[in-house]
Amino acid sequence: QVQLQQSGPGLVKPSQILSVTCAISGDSVSRNSGAWNWIRQSPSRGLEWLGRTYYRSKWYNDYAPSIKSRIIINQDTSRNQFSLQLNSVTPEDTAVYYCARGIVGPTLDAFDIWGQGTLVTVSS
Amino acid sequence: DIQMTQSPSSLSASVGDRVTITCRASQNIDIYLCWYQQKPGKAPELLIYAASSLQSGVPSRFSGSGSGTDFTLTISRLQPEDFATYYCQQSYNTPRTFGGGTKVEI
Repeated sequence: QVQLQQSGPGLVKPSQILSVTCAISGDSVSRNSGAWNWIRQSPSRGLEWLGRTYYRSKWYNDYAPSIKSRIIINQDTSRNQFSLQLNSVTPEDTAVYYCARGIVGPTLDAFDIWGQGTLVTVSS
Repeated sequence: DIQMTQSPSSLSASVGDRVTITCRASQNIDIYLCWYQQKPGKAPELLIYAASSLQSGVPSRFSGSGSGTDFTLTISRLQPEDFATYYCQQSYNTPRTFGGGTKVEI
C-alpha cells in the first residue's frame, strides 16, 4: 500500500524559506512511470498545482509559471522522499501543502495518492 | 494555462437524489480530466480518471462523462457520505489546473 507522509514546520516568517518533505512508502521516487507533485490549497486560491519532479532516465522538474522563480523541488533517493522549497514567502503563501503521486499510463497522471497535508502559516 | 470552470459552485440535495456537476475546460483536453472528492480537513481523493474511468474502490454510483471541453460528474443516488466538495482537474498539460469546486450540501 502506497503512502505519502509529510513533514515540515507549520510556521514560517515572511521572507524566509518554506520547506516540506514527503516520504514515500510502498513505491519508489525513482520509478520511471511516476511523477511526484506538490499542490497547495487556500481559501483565496483554491487548489493550486505548484510543480513536480520525475525520473525518466534522468531527473526532470516542472514548475507552475506563477511560482517558478521561488520554487525548488528536489528528491532524495537514499531516503525515498522528495521535498518542496519555497523562497521569499509572504502571508499569501499561507496554505495547506499536499504532496501527491501521479502515474503515467491508464490513469493519465491523475493524482491517485496524496499526503495528509501540512498547514503552513506565514507570519511574523 | 488551461482554465477549468465548474458549475454550480454549490448545491443542496437530499439522500437518494441524482446529482450532476459540470466542468468546462478553456481548450480541448481530450479525456485528460479527473474528479476528486474532498471532505473537511482531509486531502482530496481520486474518484474518476480519464474522464470516465472509476478509480479502484470508488462506489459505482459515481460516474463521469465527456471529452474535449465539457465534462460531467454524476452521483446516481446520493448517500450521506457523499456530502463533500468535488473538484475537476486537467492533466493534459502543465501547469495542472483545478476547477473551483462544487460543494454538495444537505
